[in-house]
Amino acid sequence: ELKVEQNPLFLSMQEGKNYTIYCNYSTTSDRLYWYRQDPGKSLESLFVLLSNGAVKQEGRLMASLDTKARLSTLHITAAVHDLSATYFCAVATDSNYQLIWGAGTKLIIKP
Amino acid sequence: EAQVTQNPRYLITVTGKKLTVTCSQNMNHEYMSWYRQDPGLGLRQIYYSMNVEVTDKGDVPEGYKVSRKEKRNFPLILESPSPNQTSLYFCASSLHRAITDTQYFGPGTRLTVL
Repeated sequence: ELKVEQNPLFLSMQEGKNYTIYCNYSTTSDRLYWYRQDPGKSLESLFVLLSNGAVKQEGRLMASLDTKARLSTLHITAAVHDLSATYFCAVATDSNYQLIWGAGTKLIIKP
Repeated sequence: EAQVTQNPRYLITVTGKKLTVTCSQNMNHEYMSWYRQDPGLGLRQIYYSMNVEVTDKGDVPEGYKVSRKEKRNFPLILESPSPNQTSLYFCASSLHRAITDTQYFGPGTRLTVL
């Protein structure tokens, strides 16, 4: 059974700092997704990682996937307040018809 | 505008009173899915559909029904709601039959069952 674990679950940081959110999963998969959710809002797609070694960057966010280690990271560079949100990773099952989600990382960036 | 819509956005009901949450997408997507979101648990998949008339159970299907009679619509039915179905529900869709690309989410339906 595929399980997805994110850590940390909560992160409070200062503007300008760098940090990394980790997403570990328990069985083989080569499809991993990162989403952002603002309070009271829906989910917005950030990155789709579809192969081992995939790296995607958008602004201050960079995501990578290591399928051998079953690990994805979401790196935040020089954080700004606007990046405060909850970040979820989700992993596709073997069938590719389902996504299993992590519990989310609530990120608070203080000015 | 390309979007996924859900109705209602908020609903308070009582135990046992049948309800339907509608979901519609205008992007001609093959795949549609329902999730529930509960604090600390992330999203859990209830049902999904790969095409018209093709649906399958997700991780938490008990107490829910779905149908996919048209490509654009994927309603979620609670025949006899119970308080443990109080949650935030999201409908999502993606272009292909399998999850190979981005899922687009609706705005969410906050359901309270008393």
